Amino acid sequence: DIQMTQSPSTLSASVGDRVTITCRAGQYISSWLAWYQQKPGKAPNLLIYKASNLQSGVPSRFSGAGSGTEFTLTISSLQPDDSATYYCQQYDTLMYTFGQGTKLEIK
Amino acid sequence: QVQLVESGGGLVKPGGSLTLSCAASGFTFSEFYMTWIRQAPGKGLEWVAYISSSGAYTYYADSVKGRFTISRDSAKNSLYLQMSSLRAEDTAVYYCATDHLSGYHFFDHWGQGTLVTVSS
Repeated sequence: DIQMTQSPSTLSASVGDRVTITCRAGQYISSWLAWYQQKPGKAPNLLIYKASNLQSGVPSRFSGAGSGTEFTLTISSLQPDDSATYYCQQYDTLMYTFGQGTKLEIK
Repeated sequence: QVQLVESGGGLVKPGGSLTLSCAASGFTFSEFYMTWIRQAPGKGLEWVAYISSSGAYTYYADSVKGRFTISRDSAKNSLYLQMSSLRAEDTAVYYCATDHLSGYHFFDHWGQGTLVTVSS
């Protein structure tokens, strides 16, 4: 299985801050990476696919970048509604794997 | 709009069996790969199994292979997960999700989840 490692595990930032979460793959996955946002008690919501493609309806302050083994999710100007846990997921191989999650808190 | 509604969760003893269902609506169910994903309490997401649009192909995580069976009924627009030989570590919220129409295996629609608790 391809291991996906996110950093940091937790993050605290203020409204208006620029925030970046990193996801590293244990082996080359080209651009086959998605990002999800999950709020407590809710199902995950797709934000980004193929590393940098914004899902329809997702605010433009979210962006994704990277290829190969290193990827980032950036929120350009943090909003109170962005408080959530964020997961990356690789879909390069049939054993799809998720990162362990990054919990983002608003100061 | 796409709607996925899981059911069938509950409390089951170790070694027991349970079948989860996912009722789909708002899209052409027979055109989409479907997937089960689970989340243990307070933990991250774990992909469990997928089934091709026709039902001809299935694939399982090693942690459930040989114990879980994914299936679908296009006439009923429903997805299923038969779980047997359940273990405490199978305790989780189980989500059904659609694979993207492109055929790539990321998940753009999710149900609300159903909780399975394996405990004596």
